[in-house]
Amino acid sequence: GNSVTQMEGPVTLSEEAFLTINCTYTATGYPSLFWYVQYPGEGLQLLLKATKADDKGSNKGFEATYRKETTSFHLEKGSVQVSDSAVYFCALKGATGFQKLVFGTGTRLLVSP
Amino acid sequence: SQTIHQWPATLVQPVGSPLSLECTVEGTSNPNLYWYRQAAGRGLQLLFYSVGIGQISSEVPQNLSASRPQDRQFILSSKKLLLSDSGFYLCAWSDAGDNGNTIYFGEGSWLTVV
Repeated sequence: GNSVTQMEGPVTLSEEAFLTINCTYTATGYPSLFWYVQYPGEGLQLLLKATKADDKGSNKGFEATYRKETTSFHLEKGSVQVSDSAVYFCALKGATGFQKLVFGTGTRLLVSP
Repeated sequence: SQTIHQWPATLVQPVGSPLSLECTVEGTSNPNLYWYRQAAGRGLQLLFYSVGIGQISSEVPQNLSASRPQDRQFILSSKKLLLSDSGFYLCAWSDAGDNGNTIYFGEGSWLTVV
């Protein structure tokens, strides 16, 4: 079945550092890929998504590129801020018919001033 | 625009007591609806989903149940709570059919069973 693997956290960075959170997936066909963010005490918010190979999703300075050849969707940001501290979830949704969203286990990001 | 609300936001319940979490979606019709649970320090687990009124699919056998009495209302229930039911419960929705590409989440409900 479909699955998502993302790097374990916490990831601890200083403000303005470069961020990469790795995400790889296993799925048949061409699933849609997502990054969700969960700020402390809140629900999940969609951060960005990509629906086909080579698409790049971007939002709030974050980017992720759908790489079919490496089955990856790594999240990157050039310069993190303290306000980016949160838990980030990679997820996929199958290509055809009714499909459930499958999540990775989440990666906690801690950004210090 | 579409909105999703769930309540209560937090609750503390004794073991063996009943549970009812409610979720409503506005601004869309015939959405797919979901209940997820996030246990402390763990990822997200899909509990139930529904593609229409009265249609409930269960992902994990447990003492929880779900109902969809109206098109845009989704309720999570239990007759007798266990300590292991503690966690953060998230309601979510997506558009029906193949257009349901993105899932949107509510604010979540913190449940502590004592």
